[in-house]
Amino acid sequence: SQTIHQWPATLVQPVGSPLSLECTVEGTSNPNLYWYRQAAGRGLQLLFYSVGIGQISSEVPQNLSASRPQDRQFILSSKKLLLSDSGFYLCAWRSRGRTSGRGNEQFFGPGTRLTVL
Amino acid sequence: SQELEQSPQSLIVQEGKNLTINCTSSKTLYGLYWYKQKYGEGLIFLMMLQKGGEEKSHEKITAKLDEKKQQSSLHITASQPSHAGIYLCGADTLNTDKLIFGTGTRLQVFP
Repeated sequence: SQTIHQWPATLVQPVGSPLSLECTVEGTSNPNLYWYRQAAGRGLQLLFYSVGIGQISSEVPQNLSASRPQDRQFILSSKKLLLSDSGFYLCAWRSRGRTSGRGNEQFFGPGTRLTVL
Repeated sequence: SQELEQSPQSLIVQEGKNLTINCTSSKTLYGLYWYKQKYGEGLIFLMMLQKGGEEKSHEKITAKLDEKKQQSSLHITASQPSHAGIYLCGADTLNTDKLIFGTGTRLQVFP
């Protein structure tokens, strides 16, 4: 069966410090991978998604970047954190059909709560 | 761009009561996904609907997609405290692999 891991689970960082959040998926190959941020326990904001190694689409210009160094690894980074980067970060994966992931369920990781002080 | 609107935003019900959450799209829905989230945790996939008029059930939760494929409802029968959480609907977007999400409905169930 497939599983998705995120770490760390919680993180407290000072303003201006770097960030690296990691997401890995097991039990599937060539998945679509997604990074979301959730504020105030409500709506999800899509930050980045990837349909393959080294392929990153950015949805919102901001202080963050993403990389996919391996098929089932997705990393969210920042060189200098801002107060506004605080939030709950969720990674998700989705199987790809022959041409896309549309019509397939999307599964989420447990999340990382980031507090920037 | 496509938008999903959920109603109500918040719901407080007594245990044992039935309830319905709605998700309305500004465009035709090609795939509609329901998720549940407990505070501080990831989203748990509940059900996926694709065909107009489709209905799926899991335990006491039933989801429907209307014939016109622009609205979905999530119905909980005989609610329990374990049903409490935030319910979010998500939808496929045309020609992309991205899901868009509604803003969520917060459900509280009191004894």
